[in-house]
Amino acid sequence: QKEVEQNSGPLSVPEGAIASLNCTYSDRGSQSFFWYRQYSGKSPELIMSIYSNGDKEDGRFTAQLNKASQYVSLLIRDSQPSDSATYLCAVYFPGNTPLVFGKGTRLSVIA
Amino acid sequence: DAGVIQSPRHEVTEMGQEVTLRCKPISGHNSLFWYRQTMMRGLELLIYFNNNVPIDDSGMPEDRFSAKMPNASFSTLKIQPSEPRDSAVYFCASSTRQPEQYFGPGTRLTVT
Repeated sequence: QKEVEQNSGPLSVPEGAIASLNCTYSDRGSQSFFWYRQYSGKSPELIMSIYSNGDKEDGRFTAQLNKASQYVSLLIRDSQPSDSATYLCAVYFPGNTPLVFGKGTRLSVIA
Repeated sequence: DAGVIQSPRHEVTEMGQEVTLRCKPISGHNSLFWYRQTMMRGLELLIYFNNNVPIDDSGMPEDRFSAKMPNASFSTLKIQPSEPRDSAVYFCASSTRQPEQYFGPGTRLTVT
């Protein structure tokens, strides 16, 4: 069973703080990991991808991957109210199947 | 480049009516995915196509749902007859041979 688990939240952080979003997945052989952001009433938008263990930084966003622990996270530094959205974790499992999405974590950044 | 295009953006219909949702994938993308999203169940994959061929329709909830992709630039998702529990946002997404998908704006379906 291919599963991607996320805490549904809401995760509330004050403006300027670091928001930490976490995701676990069921298959140790997974190779590719993605974070999507979905604003209320909008469609999911790809914001980060990560393929190797360690950190990948893009502006205020850092994706972290630990394949041994089957764990991927997204850090948002200097959180802004405009970061308030639902963040979906997606995992590409071996076997040439489509991405499997978690149910998402709702983030609320309080001004 | 235009992104994934979906129509209509909103659809309100009465129970028992036929509903057809349309999708145009990003040019050059060879995979197309139909999703349904609700608060309770999150994002559910209904069916996906590779090179216009349906690969996995195990997510289609009932025989009332059907999907076609007659060519590389067009796909439809049809619900006949529609029921109130079909009310949701339906997304179409496309991708190349890489796993990451790009979503259309969605169709918000309300069945009364």
